[in-house]
Amino acid sequence: EPEVTQTPSHQVTQMGQEVILRCVPISNHLYFYWYRQILGQKVEFLVSFYNNEISEKSEIFDDQFSVERPDGSNFTLKIRSTKLEDSAMYFCASTRRGKGTEAFFGQGTRLTVV
Amino acid sequence: DAKTTQPNSMESNEEEPVHLPCNHSTISGTDYIHWYRQLPSQGPEYVIHGLTSNVNNRMASLAIAEDRKSSTLILHRATLSDAAVYYCILRDDSGAGSYQLTFGKGTKLSVIP
Repeated sequence: EPEVTQTPSHQVTQMGQEVILRCVPISNHLYFYWYRQILGQKVEFLVSFYNNEISEKSEIFDDQFSVERPDGSNFTLKIRSTKLEDSAMYFCASTRRGKGTEAFFGQGTRLTVV
Repeated sequence: DAKTTQPNSMESNEEEPVHLPCNHSTISGTDYIHWYRQLPSQGPEYVIHGLTSNVNNRMASLAIAEDRKSSTLILHRATLSDAAVYYCILRDDSGAGSYQLTFGKGTKLSVIP
């Protein structure tokens, strides 16, 4: 069964450093998403990406965040200058199309900012 | 996205059916009812979704009230591996948005051996 894969599974970084979280969505999917989950809290939507551009973003997704789909297969989330409060699980997801379809999530990257 | 209300937690005995309720009294005509679950230390996992009619798949059944203001996820025979947080989510599929999911706190299901 096809799956969304994320790397690395765990990343430790120093405050102020840039990090790039990587995702390989399912190959024939068209919509791509990043979510995050701070320990013990809800899963929160960050950003959606369709047709090579951001289609929607939340208030969390400020100028420190950016997304790219550089080569048609990878989907990346960059945090330019990490803060302690960026420590969370980051989940990538994809859907085949929009209406009436389910999202497939990766296993997540645990980001720890020290 | 319209809001859903779920119990914080539920318990079930292993091998018995589980009915997980969800209220969504402000649902709109273009909202699909989605259920996802999150096992410990894993990403959310799709369970089932529907619009108006009851739905069955290999994981579960979804019973939708006639007025669509509530729904029930039915696990026909709970196993220990069904212990997870279950999320009932309304997603506006009118095309006006980007089909993202808005997660609440969900229902934490414990399965007792």
